[in-house]
Amino acid sequence: NAGVMQNPRHLVRRRGQEARLRCSPMKGHSHVYWYRQLPEEGLKFMVYLQKENIIDESGMPKERFSAEFPKEGPSILRIQQVVRGDSAAYFCASSPASTGSYEQYFGPGTRLTVT
Amino acid sequence: RKEVEQDPGPFNVPEGATVAFNCTYSNSASQSFFWYRQDCRKEPKLLMSVYSSGNEDGRFTAQLNRASQYISLLIRDSKLSDSATYLCVVNDSGGSNYKLTFGKGTLLTVNP
Repeated sequence: NAGVMQNPRHLVRRRGQEARLRCSPMKGHSHVYWYRQLPEEGLKFMVYLQKENIIDESGMPKERFSAEFPKEGPSILRIQQVVRGDSAAYFCASSPASTGSYEQYFGPGTRLTVT
Repeated sequence: RKEVEQDPGPFNVPEGATVAFNCTYSNSASQSFFWYRQDCRKEPKLLMSVYSSGNEDGRFTAQLNRASQYISLLIRDSKLSDSATYLCVVNDSGGSNYKLTFGKGTLLTVNP
């Protein structure tokens, strides 16, 4: 029973490049959440998606960041023209539903380093 | 006031000690409360949900005081394997109740 899967686990990008982070939710889960953890900080909510729908992207920076969860395949968090301040751990979580059960299960994260 | 505030730590305790973590939250409408643990450079893992009546899971006891907007976690007979960062987590209220708000965490080191 595989948990939430994320890849790559580590990603190094130079300033100005694009970063693509992937997340496959747990089997049977249709809700995906992305969180960012900056060094020495707590996790911060970024975006909540269901299949083919962005439900809440209030935590996403207005520029350069986008997310999707297509009908087939993993959820993708995309960061264009990365800057050093984007260096962080990006965690994906999933849940079977957003109401009734608030427990979210986290993947191992992608550690992005921008050089 | 921060949304979720925890003891800054770090806590260093010997094996077998009892240790307590405190947490306060600012949104009185918050509905669900959790403790997660996060090992170094790993993902957060759900330790336990916190209920108004208080709940216990083995050596771990969680308490919630809604009037004071205060959550606690007590670990009895601590083990080396309890060394981790403990995250107090509160969910948002109303239409965005899926949104988890994390404290910065309290680092616990249990020493032999």
